[in-house]
Amino acid sequence: NFMLTQPHSVSESPGKTVTIPCTGSSGSIASNYVQWYQQRPGSAPTTVIYEDDQSPSGVPDRFSGSIDSSSNSASLTISGLETEDEADYYCQSYDSNNHWVFGGGTKLTVL
Amino acid sequence: EVQLVQSGAEVTKPGESLKISCKGSGYTFSSYWIAWVRQMPGKGLEWMGIIFPRDSETKYSPSLQGQVTISADKSINTVYLQWSSLKASDTAMYYCARQHRGHDWLDYWGQGTLVTVSS
Repeated sequence: NFMLTQPHSVSESPGKTVTIPCTGSSGSIASNYVQWYQQRPGSAPTTVIYEDDQSPSGVPDRFSGSIDSSSNSASLTISGLETEDEADYYCQSYDSNNHWVFGGGTKLTVL
Repeated sequence: EVQLVQSGAEVTKPGESLKISCKGSGYTFSSYWIAWVRQMPGKGLEWMGIIFPRDSETKYSPSLQGQVTISADKSINTVYLQWSSLKASDTAMYYCARQHRGHDWLDYWGQGTLVTVSS
């Protein structure tokens, strides 16, 4: 079964830059698009990155996505961290049968 | 304005049946896939399946196939998620979300429906 692995938690200071990795278990992560969702406590998720590196309108350009085929990983990078960025972040892609797969989620603490 | 409004929280007992809903407005409902996503208490997101309301084509997560039924009534712009016999392990928050047309991402989410299954 295809899986996406994320670190359980990351932390960084306001104003700094943080990168959250998402590693595919098999195949090439570059062969299917990766999305990233933000979920603040008590709220529904929202999309911050789609199709690897595209931003929905309204998402600050401090959020960016990328793919690194050499490590079979996708990454979400947030620059100029703000306290409002504190949330859980989930990557999502697809398995070989086009079923959606979510990563386990990463809790971002901005301290 | 695009909106997905879900039915309210439910408290039920093991073995009971249940159907929760997700009503769309502000767009051509039948033309967009709607997904269901589960979040168990303190856990991550899990894709359950997706339906295209125009023809009710449905795809399920292999791990949940046969455990739930996803359906749609396009005449009232509503998608459903139902169980025939609930288990305590079905306790979770359930979200519906619209898939952006032409791109595989979820652009609008419902507010979530909390289902609690307890004897």
